Amino acid sequence: GAGVSQSPRYKVAKRGQDVALRCDPISGHVSLFWYQQALGQGPEFLTYFQNEAQLDKSGLPSDRFFAERPEGSVSTLKIQRTQQEDSAVYLCASSLLQGIRGDTQYFGPGTRLTVL
Amino acid sequence: GDSVTQMEGPVTLSEEAFLTINCTYTATGYPSLFWYVQYPGEGLQLLLKATKADDKGSNKGFEATYRKETTSFHLEKGSVQVSDSAVYFCALSNTGTASKLTFGTGTRLQVTL
Repeated sequence: GAGVSQSPRYKVAKRGQDVALRCDPISGHVSLFWYQQALGQGPEFLTYFQNEAQLDKSGLPSDRFFAERPEGSVSTLKIQRTQQEDSAVYLCASSLLQGIRGDTQYFGPGTRLTVL
Repeated sequence: GDSVTQMEGPVTLSEEAFLTINCTYTATGYPSLFWYVQYPGEGLQLLLKATKADDKGSNKGFEATYRKETTSFHLEKGSVQVSDSAVYFCALSNTGTASKLTFGTGTRLQVTL
C-alpha cells in the first residue's frame, strides 16, 4: 500500500492524559499537513511541514498541541493534557511538492480521538 | 481570510437523477479549487480540481467549472448512482498559504433506488 497511513485509528483518552498520533506519508512526499475534523464539519488546518521544517503552525489551537517530523518522513502530533473539546478526527495529508497551490493532497484514514 | 460555503445537506436523490451541489468561495488572489469525497468508512479522496478561472475539472462523471466572476465551483453529475452516496467537500488552496486547504462544511448525498 502506497497511501498515507495513520495510527492508531481510534484513541480514547481520559481528560488530562497526553496522546500521540502518528502519520506515515507517501514515500517521497515533501509536504505534510495535519487537519482537525470535528463531527459534522469540514477539516480545519492545524500545521504544515516541508520536509522536516515546520513552516506553518498557525492552526494549532493551543500550546498543548505540538507536531514534529524530525527526519522529514513520519510525523507525530502530540496533544498534552487532553480536554473534551479536543475530541475530533485528526487527519494527515501529504503532497509531492513543496507548498504549491494546486498540488494534490492525499489523505490518510484519520485518527478518531475521544476524550472522556 | 479565505472561506468556502457549501449548500447544506443532506441531499437525497433517486438513482439517475441530476445532481448539483453548490459551492462558493471568498479568497484573495487566484486560489485553486477542489472537490473531495468521503465514502462511508473511508478517508478523504480527491474527486476533481481546477487551478485557474474557466478550468473544468472532471472525474467519474462529475464536473465542476471554476467561475471567478461568481466565485463558484458547483459540482454536477448528470446521473447519480447509489454508489455515489457520500459526503462531498469543496475546498480551496491559495498562494502564500503553503497550499493548505480551506474546506467547506461538507454536503451529504444519499442516493436511493
